[in-house]
Amino acid sequence: GDSVTQMEGPVTLSEEACLTINCTYTATGYPSLFWYVQYPGEGLQLLLKATKADDKGSNKGFEATYRKETTSFHLEKGSVQVSDSAVYFCALIMNTGFQKLVFGTGTRLLVSP
Amino acid sequence: NAGVTQTPKFQVLKTGQSMTLQCAQDMNHNSMYWYRQDPGMGLRLIYYSASEGTTDKGEVPNGYNVSRLNKREFSLRLESAAPSQTSVYFCASSEATVTNYGYTFGSGTRLTVV
Repeated sequence: GDSVTQMEGPVTLSEEACLTINCTYTATGYPSLFWYVQYPGEGLQLLLKATKADDKGSNKGFEATYRKETTSFHLEKGSVQVSDSAVYFCALIMNTGFQKLVFGTGTRLLVSP
Repeated sequence: NAGVTQTPKFQVLKTGQSMTLQCAQDMNHNSMYWYRQDPGMGLRLIYYSASEGTTDKGEVPNGYNVSRLNKREFSLRLESAAPSQTSVYFCASSEATVTNYGYTFGSGTRLTVV
């Protein structure tokens, strides 16, 4: 079945460091791809999305590019802040019929001052 | 905009007790979902409702029941709580163009079964 694989965490960085969180997917067709963020004690919020190959999603300084050839959707940020500390979830949904979001297991990011 | 509202936010149950988690959305979304979140396991789908009047099992439905009361409300019931059901529960909703917009999540219910 369709699945999403994320890098194990936690990822620990100092403020202003560069961030990459890897995400790869397995799907029978061409899904839409999402990154969600969960701040401590809160629900998941949509961070960014891409609906077709080569699309780049971006929000709050985060970016991810839909790479069909490598089936990847890595999350990147050039300079992280302490306020970016959260759990990040990669997810996919197929574009045909009624489908459900498939989540990765999440990657915790810890940013220290 | 309230979005997706879950009640209660916290609950402690004794083994064998029952309870219902409430979820309501005000975005006129057709589809609603219940997930549980456990450490190291991400989010697992318990039940979902593709549209008003329909419900279907997800990955981990055992020990739970659901009711789609109307288009706005989707409740999750634990008939006889077990310690394995200690978790954080999230409700979510989506519109028909889910592939463009994903889901909107509630803030969660933290349930402890002792």
